[in-house]
Amino acid sequence: NAGVMQNPRHLVRRRGQEARLRCSPMKGHSHVYWYRQLPEEGLKFMVYLQKENIIDESGMPKERFSAEFPKEGPSILRIQQVVRGDSAAYFCASSPTGTGDQPQHFGDGTRLSIL
Amino acid sequence: KQEVTQIPAALSVPEGENLVLNCSFTDSAIYNLQWFRQDPGKGLTSLLLIQSSQREQTSGRLNASLDKSSGRSTLYIAASQPGDSATYLCALPGSGGYQKVTFGTGTKLQVIP
Repeated sequence: NAGVMQNPRHLVRRRGQEARLRCSPMKGHSHVYWYRQLPEEGLKFMVYLQKENIIDESGMPKERFSAEFPKEGPSILRIQQVVRGDSAAYFCASSPTGTGDQPQHFGDGTRLSIL
Repeated sequence: KQEVTQIPAALSVPEGENLVLNCSFTDSAIYNLQWFRQDPGKGLTSLLLIQSSQREQTSGRLNASLDKSSGRSTLYIAASQPGDSATYLCALPGSGGYQKVTFGTGTKLQVIP
């Protein structure tokens, strides 16, 4: 039973390019969460999605960042016109329900480096 | 807004020692509390999940306790091993019925052989 799969593991982009990070949740999980871990900082919530719906995006920067979780395929976190400050580890988690009695299962993250 | 603090920020102990990691939180209206382990350059591994109705959970050499009234949780590691070296995070979902998780600041543990 595969866990949460994130790809790529490492992504290098130049300033101004676009970064697309993918997350495939565990089988049977329809709830996906994205977190960001800036260097030497803790993990911060970004966005919570269910299939085809954004439930809570209160942690997303107002500009350049977007997320989707289509009916088919992985969840995508898109960062447009990347800047040096976007360099971080981006983690995805999934759960079978959105309720608090279920643990979140995390992927190994995508480490984004901006040149 | 939930705030989660972990003390100490870093800890270095000799192999075999028992140790306690602390987590405090400001909003006691929680659904559960989860302890994670993060190895350098890796993702998060879930260690223990304590439901709000529970007082503690045990898994092998790990024991986590929860005191909602005082806003505290502890992670007890018995007979520490070098392989336990990692950063330990406590995490709490917020109110609202879903798991918008707030993470603690983490405790970086080093177990010296």
